[in-house]
Amino acid sequence: KNQVEQSPQSLIILEGKNCTLQCNYTVSPFSNLRWYKQDTGRGPVSLTIMTFSENTKSNGRYTATLDADTKQSSLHITASQLSDSASYICVVSDRGSTLGRLYFGRGTQLTVWP
Amino acid sequence: EADIYQTPRYLVIGTGKKITLECSQTMGHDKMYWYQQDPGMELHLIHYSYGVNSTEKGDLSSESTVSRIRTEHFPLTLESARPSHTSQYLCASSAASGDSYEQYFGPGTRLTVT
Repeated sequence: KNQVEQSPQSLIILEGKNCTLQCNYTVSPFSNLRWYKQDTGRGPVSLTIMTFSENTKSNGRYTATLDADTKQSSLHITASQLSDSASYICVVSDRGSTLGRLYFGRGTQLTVWP
Repeated sequence: EADIYQTPRYLVIGTGKKITLECSQTMGHDKMYWYQQDPGMELHLIHYSYGVNSTEKGDLSSESTVSRIRTEHFPLTLESARPSHTSQYLCASSAASGDSYEQYFGPGTRLTVT
């Protein structure tokens, strides 16, 4: 069964600190992995997208890593800001259908305190 | 910022009413999607469309229906709303080709059926 599991479920950090969010998946055949940021009451916004051959990708203070062998990904946030408070969703796409089916994790709810 | 819009943003309605959630995009994307998301849970695909006059049901069974008469417009209709339909509904769109296509999400409609 194709699944995407994220940990931790929630995380509280102080402003300025770093944090790392984890994503494990069983989706096969694998096409790509994305990290989205979803603010409360808003739609998800893409942060990074990585294909099989990429093992790291950065977008400002966000750095995503991918280990396709172990089927694990992480999202590292550097020097956190209050505006980083949001849900971070790991999404994996399969290659087995013309739709390019997306499998969503439940997200990690990050809260940044001043 | 993606050019995809949803109205209304919030809707509180009584049981048995007919409702239509609007979604429009100005990016000329062929593929459009409707997702349902409950608090703290993953997004579930309920409908998708490859283009005009094409609509398909997604992974999660839904009593809603959709139509795609114009490329830019993908409305979702509930003929008779029930409390079990209370949820957040997210619309998304993507370009037609490529494994690493990006899905752009609208801001969502928070529906409450009393």
